[in-house]
Amino acid sequence: DAGVIQSPRHEVTEMGQEVTLRCKPISGHNSLFWYRQTMMRGLELLIYFNNNVPIDDSGMPEDRFSAKMPNASFSTLKIQPSEPRDSAVYFCASSLSSSNQPQHFGDGTRLSIL
Amino acid sequence: RKEVEQDPGPFNVPEGATVAFNCTYSNSASQSFFWYRQDCRKEPKLLMSVYSSGNEDGRFTAQLNRASQYISLLIRDSKLSDSATYLCVVNYQGGKLIFGQGTELSVKP
Repeated sequence: DAGVIQSPRHEVTEMGQEVTLRCKPISGHNSLFWYRQTMMRGLELLIYFNNNVPIDDSGMPEDRFSAKMPNASFSTLKIQPSEPRDSAVYFCASSLSSSNQPQHFGDGTRLSIL
Repeated sequence: RKEVEQDPGPFNVPEGATVAFNCTYSNSASQSFFWYRQDCRKEPKLLMSVYSSGNEDGRFTAQLNRASQYISLLIRDSKLSDSATYLCVVNYQGGKLIFGQGTELSVKP
Protein backbone atom coordinates (compact mmCIF):
# COMPACT_ATOMS: atom_id res chain seq x y z
CA ASP A 1 0.00 0.00 0.00
CA ALA A 2 1.22 3.48 -0.77
CA GLY A 3 2.16 5.54 2.24
CA VAL A 4 2.08 9.31 2.58
CA ILE A 5 3.74 10.83 -0.46
CA GLN A 6 5.53 14.15 -0.29
CA SER A 7 7.20 16.21 -2.97
CA PRO A 8 9.74 17.46 -3.58
CA ARG A 9 12.19 15.43 -1.47
CA HIS A 10 14.68 18.29 -1.51
CA GLU A 11 14.31 21.98 -2.29
CA VAL A 12 17.03 24.59 -2.38
CA THR A 13 16.01 28.10 -3.22
CA GLU A 14 16.96 31.69 -2.62
CA MET A 15 15.51 33.91 0.05
CA GLY A 16 12.37 35.68 -1.08
CA GLN A 17 11.20 32.94 -3.42
CA GLU A 18 7.89 31.17 -3.04
CA VAL A 19 8.10 27.56 -1.92
CA THR A 20 5.29 25.03 -2.31
CA LEU A 21 5.41 21.65 -0.60
CA ARG A 22 2.97 18.92 -1.58
CA CYS A 23 1.45 15.97 0.20
CA LYS A 24 -0.77 13.05 -0.72
CA PRO A 25 -2.16 11.31 2.37
CA ILE A 26 -2.87 7.62 2.69
CA SER A 27 -6.14 6.79 0.97
CA GLY A 28 -8.99 6.65 3.47
CA HIS A 29 -7.26 8.76 6.10
CA ASN A 30 -9.36 11.74 7.19
CA SER A 31 -6.76 13.75 9.06
CA LEU A 32 -3.66 15.40 7.64
CA PHE A 33 -0.86 17.10 9.53
CA TRP A 34 2.04 19.35 8.56
CA TYR A 35 5.13 19.36 10.80
CA ARG A 36 8.45 21.13 10.76
CA GLN A 37 11.57 19.61 12.30
CA THR A 38 14.79 21.39 13.25
CA MET A 39 17.62 20.46 15.57
CA MET A 40 16.82 23.35 17.88
CA ARG A 41 13.04 23.01 18.15
CA GLY A 42 12.42 19.35 17.38
CA LEU A 43 9.19 18.30 15.69
CA GLU A 44 6.58 21.08 15.67
CA LEU A 45 2.99 20.77 14.47
CA LEU A 46 2.21 23.59 12.05
CA ILE A 47 -1.39 22.85 11.09
CA TYR A 48 -3.80 19.97 10.79
CA PHE A 49 -6.89 19.24 8.77
CA ASN A 50 -9.83 16.98 9.45
CA ASN A 51 -12.00 16.05 6.46
CA ASN A 52 -10.19 18.74 4.44
CA VAL A 53 -11.07 21.48 6.96
CA PRO A 54 -8.26 23.25 8.89
CA ILE A 55 -8.80 22.52 12.58
CA ASP A 56 -5.79 24.04 14.30
CA ASP A 57 -3.28 26.37 12.65
CA SER A 58 -1.86 27.78 15.86
CA GLY A 59 1.54 26.34 15.00
CA MET A 60 1.89 28.25 11.74
CA PRO A 61 4.81 30.61 12.41
CA GLU A 62 3.50 33.69 10.64
CA ASP A 63 1.50 34.97 7.71
CA ARG A 64 4.18 33.90 5.28
CA PHE A 65 3.00 30.34 5.80
CA SER A 66 -0.26 29.04 4.38
CA ALA A 67 -1.73 25.58 3.88
CA LYS A 68 -4.61 24.25 1.84
CA MET A 69 -6.37 20.97 1.39
CA PRO A 70 -8.62 21.24 -1.68
CA ASN A 71 -9.60 17.58 -1.58
CA ALA A 72 -9.10 14.42 0.44
CA SER A 73 -6.04 13.34 -1.50
CA PHE A 74 -3.95 16.49 -1.72
CA SER A 75 -2.55 19.25 0.46
CA THR A 76 -0.03 22.04 0.00
CA LEU A 77 2.08 24.07 2.38
CA LYS A 78 3.27 27.34 0.92
CA ILE A 79 5.89 29.77 2.18
CA GLN A 80 5.95 33.21 0.57
CA PRO A 81 8.35 34.91 0.81
CA SER A 82 10.81 32.35 2.12
CA GLU A 83 13.56 33.23 4.60
CA PRO A 84 16.74 31.37 5.65
CA ARG A 85 15.22 30.58 9.06
CA ASP A 86 12.56 28.52 7.30
CA SER A 87 15.22 25.93 6.45
CA ALA A 88 14.11 22.65 8.00
CA VAL A 89 12.63 19.27 7.21
CA TYR A 90 8.89 19.50 6.61
CA PHE A 91 6.86 16.36 7.21
CA CYS A 92 3.33 15.56 6.23
CA ALA A 93 1.45 12.87 8.16
CA SER A 94 -2.01 11.37 7.94
CA SER A 95 -4.24 9.29 10.18
CA LEU A 96 -7.75 8.02 10.57
CA SER A 97 -9.93 10.58 12.32
CA SER A 98 -9.77 9.29 15.82
CA SER A 99 -7.82 10.42 18.83
CA ASN A 100 -6.40 6.95 19.42
CA GLN A 101 -5.01 6.46 15.92
CA PRO A 102 -1.31 6.91 15.21
CA GLN A 103 -0.05 9.12 12.42
CA HIS A 104 1.90 7.88 9.42
CA PHE A 105 4.59 10.14 8.07
CA GLY A 106 5.86 10.86 4.60
CA ASP A 107 9.56 10.92 3.80
CA GLY A 108 9.69 14.67 4.33
CA THR A 109 10.93 17.61 2.28
CA ARG A 110 14.38 18.97 3.12
CA LEU A 111 14.15 22.70 2.52
CA SER A 112 17.15 24.96 2.36
CA ILE A 113 16.69 28.69 1.91
CA LEU A 114 19.88 30.46 0.93
CA ARG B 1 6.50 23.00 31.70
CA LYS B 2 6.67 21.30 28.31
CA GLU B 3 3.65 19.26 27.28
CA VAL B 4 5.76 16.16 26.77
CA GLU B 5 9.16 15.76 28.39
CA GLN B 6 11.66 12.99 27.85
CA ASP B 7 14.90 11.86 29.40
CA PRO B 8 17.78 13.83 27.98
CA GLY B 9 20.12 11.74 25.84
CA PRO B 10 22.16 10.38 24.38
CA PHE B 11 22.13 6.89 25.82
CA ASN B 12 25.21 4.89 24.86
CA VAL B 13 24.86 1.19 25.65
CA PRO B 14 26.60 -2.05 24.64
CA GLU B 15 24.83 -4.68 22.59
CA GLY B 16 22.68 -6.91 24.74
CA ALA B 17 22.01 -4.26 27.36
CA THR B 18 18.60 -3.34 28.68
CA VAL B 19 17.73 0.32 28.37
CA ALA B 20 14.73 2.29 29.63
CA PHE B 21 13.33 5.59 28.42
CA ASN B 22 10.97 7.70 30.47
CA CYS B 23 8.50 10.38 29.49
CA THR B 24 6.09 12.64 31.38
CA TYR B 25 3.13 14.54 29.97
CA SER B 26 1.22 17.52 31.31
CA ASN B 27 -2.31 17.06 29.96
CA SER B 28 -4.25 14.76 32.27
CA ALA B 29 -7.01 14.49 29.66
CA SER B 30 -4.71 12.75 27.15
CA GLN B 31 -6.07 9.40 26.05
CA SER B 32 -3.64 8.03 23.50
CA PHE B 33 0.07 7.38 23.83
CA PHE B 34 2.69 6.15 21.43
CA TRP B 35 6.38 5.56 21.02
CA TYR B 36 7.87 6.48 17.66
CA ARG B 37 11.32 5.76 16.36
CA GLN B 38 13.25 8.12 14.09
CA ASP B 39 16.43 7.15 12.29
CA CYS B 40 18.90 9.81 11.23
CA ARG B 41 17.54 11.87 8.34
CA LYS B 42 14.40 9.75 8.11
CA GLU B 43 10.76 10.22 9.03
CA PRO B 44 9.33 9.21 12.43
CA LYS B 45 7.83 5.73 12.38
CA LEU B 46 5.40 4.21 14.83
CA LEU B 47 7.15 1.76 17.14
CA MET B 48 4.20 0.87 19.35
CA SER B 49 1.07 2.20 20.95
CA VAL B 50 0.95 2.32 24.74
CA TYR B 51 -2.04 0.78 26.47
CA SER B 52 -3.25 1.32 30.01
CA SER B 53 -2.41 -2.22 31.08
CA GLY B 54 1.06 -2.06 29.55
CA ASN B 55 2.02 -3.96 26.43
CA GLU B 56 4.89 -5.87 24.98
CA ASP B 57 6.11 -6.39 21.44
CA GLY B 58 9.09 -8.72 21.30
CA ARG B 59 11.99 -7.03 23.06
CA PHE B 60 10.00 -3.83 23.62
CA THR B 61 7.75 -3.16 26.61
CA ALA B 62 5.69 -0.01 27.10
CA GLN B 63 4.10 1.07 30.37
CA LEU B 64 1.65 3.83 31.23
CA ASN B 65 1.01 5.33 34.65
CA ARG B 66 -1.94 7.70 34.36
CA ALA B 67 -1.81 8.82 38.00
CA SER B 68 1.76 10.03 37.58
CA GLN B 69 1.29 11.00 33.89
CA TYR B 70 4.29 8.92 33.01
CA ILE B 71 5.14 6.61 30.12
CA SER B 72 8.11 4.31 29.75
CA LEU B 73 9.74 2.18 27.07
CA LEU B 74 12.00 -0.74 27.92
CA ILE B 75 14.25 -2.33 25.33
CA ARG B 76 15.75 -5.69 26.24
CA ASP B 77 18.75 -7.35 24.60
CA SER B 78 19.49 -4.23 22.57
CA LYS B 79 20.76 -4.61 19.00
CA LEU B 80 22.94 -2.36 16.89
CA SER B 81 19.87 -1.75 14.74
CA ASP B 82 18.04 -0.24 17.72
CA SER B 83 20.24 2.84 17.43
CA ALA B 84 17.86 5.71 16.71
CA THR B 85 15.98 8.54 18.38
CA TYR B 86 12.91 7.48 20.35
CA LEU B 87 10.02 9.91 20.52
CA CYS B 88 7.35 9.88 23.19
CA VAL B 89 4.00 10.98 21.73
CA VAL B 90 0.80 11.98 23.48
CA ASN B 91 -2.52 13.03 22.03
CA TYR B 92 -3.62 16.48 23.09
CA GLN B 93 -6.98 17.34 21.66
CA GLY B 94 -8.85 15.30 19.11
CA GLY B 95 -6.35 14.02 16.59
CA LYS B 96 -3.55 16.37 17.58
CA LEU B 97 -0.39 14.63 18.79
CA ILE B 98 2.38 16.26 20.78
CA PHE B 99 5.88 14.87 20.25
CA GLY B 100 8.62 14.92 22.86
CA GLN B 101 12.07 16.13 21.90
CA GLY B 102 13.27 12.55 21.62
CA THR B 103 16.00 10.53 23.27
CA GLU B 104 18.92 9.36 21.20
CA LEU B 105 20.05 5.78 21.66
CA SER B 106 23.38 4.50 20.42
CA VAL B 107 24.05 0.76 20.75
CA LYS B 108 27.72 -0.14 20.45
CA PRO B 109 29.29 -3.51 19.58
